[in-house]
Amino acid sequence: GQQVMQIPQYQHVQEGEDFTTYCNSSTTLSNIQWYKQRPGGHPVFLIQLVKSGEVKKQKRLTFQFGEAKKNSSLHITATQTTDVGTYFCLSGNTPLVFGKGTRLSVIA
Amino acid sequence: DAGITQSPRHKVTETGTPVTLRCHQTENHRYMYWYRQDPGHGLRLIHYSYGVKDTDKGEVSDGYSVSRSKTEDFLLTLESATSSQTSVYFCAISREHYEQYFGPGTRLTVT
Repeated sequence: GQQVMQIPQYQHVQEGEDFTTYCNSSTTLSNIQWYKQRPGGHPVFLIQLVKSGEVKKQKRLTFQFGEAKKNSSLHITATQTTDVGTYFCLSGNTPLVFGKGTRLSVIA
Repeated sequence: DAGITQSPRHKVTETGTPVTLRCHQTENHRYMYWYRQDPGHGLRLIHYSYGVKDTDKGEVSDGYSVSRSKTEDFLLTLESATSSQTSVYFCAISREHYEQYFGPGTRLTVT
């Protein structure tokens, strides 16, 4: 079946450093979505990527969808303590499969 | 936040007892989903619904059943709870099969 691998599992950074998480799929994706979950909270939708090679930005967050539509990345520039949480990707193919997430810790 | 609630928010039950979790939405979204979240496994889809009385299985559907008799309600039932079903359960909704909005979650403990 479809698999979505997400790395790294954990990332600890100093405030102000950059952060990147990657998702790789075993199959071509119709779209990929990214979510953020704060500790003790529920996942919150961040963005959806649909087109091959698509790049979208939200303030300090940059999202990319690979040319082959099998991988994606989320990059945060100059992390802040408010960025703490777990970031998940979600394959838009049926059945829906989440990556296992990357937990980001930011040390002030 | 989207109008989505889950009840109960916390539940402790004994092995072998039936348990029903409720998800209620006020957004009139077509799709509704049930996920479980466990350390090391992330979010895994249990069942989802694409309309009233229309449901399909997800990745980890064994031991769970669902029902959707109204657009706004999606019920998840554990017919005979087991300790392996101790988890946090999230309901989500979406207008189409795209961006999802999650409820606050239900923490279920099976002793």
